[in-house]
Amino acid sequence: DGGITQSPKYLFRKEGQNVTLSCEQNLNHDAMYWYRQDPGQGLRLIYYSQIVNDFQKGDIAEGYSVSREKKESFPLTVTSAQKNPTAFYLCASSPRTPKLGEQYFGPGTRLTVT
Amino acid sequence: GNSVTQMEGPVTLSEEAFLTINCTYTATGYPSLFWYVQYPGEGLQLLLKATKADDKGSNKGFEATYRKETTSFHLEKGSVQVSDSAVYFCALSDNTDKLIFGTGTRLQVFP
Repeated sequence: DGGITQSPKYLFRKEGQNVTLSCEQNLNHDAMYWYRQDPGQGLRLIYYSQIVNDFQKGDIAEGYSVSREKKESFPLTVTSAQKNPTAFYLCASSPRTPKLGEQYFGPGTRLTVT
Repeated sequence: GNSVTQMEGPVTLSEEAFLTINCTYTATGYPSLFWYVQYPGEGLQLLLKATKADDKGSNKGFEATYRKETTSFHLEKGSVQVSDSAVYFCALSDNTDKLIFGTGTRLQVFP
């Protein structure tokens, strides 16, 4: 079964700790994305990567970091510099067809920082 | 810049009622347009899409028509079910690798 997996589904951390969210896809897609979702604000783009070993900042990259060492994997690290990290995080991928722009989403990770 | 505006929710309907969720966009050129659906606690799923003016996307009884003259892509369904309760997102692709999403509209359907 092809798809996108995110783990864990729920994550709890203490303030001041870095935490890494996993995202893996076996769809052979070139592009991958990380979004943050807060109530009433829709999805906001954090980082995206169109090819291995390359990534770009999205609209709210401050306090986050990513890597793209393999085509299948695009982990997101939420650092202690992120002022309000509690949110629902969604990973997506796309076959990099600009005209269609269709993205496929994982099930999400809900991060709670106290 | 490019943007998407959706009607605020929640939209509350009885089962078998007619649904319309409004979506308008601002974009240069000829974007592709999408509706995604998010069920509670899950990621987003593509519901339907349209890639050029006057195209009609349809899936699972939902449909939306790409109207360039009114810059709109309103989502409709003739008879909603309780299982349609979810958050619906309108989005556009400006032919790059990025999608621009609206803020989402929550639909609640009661028996």
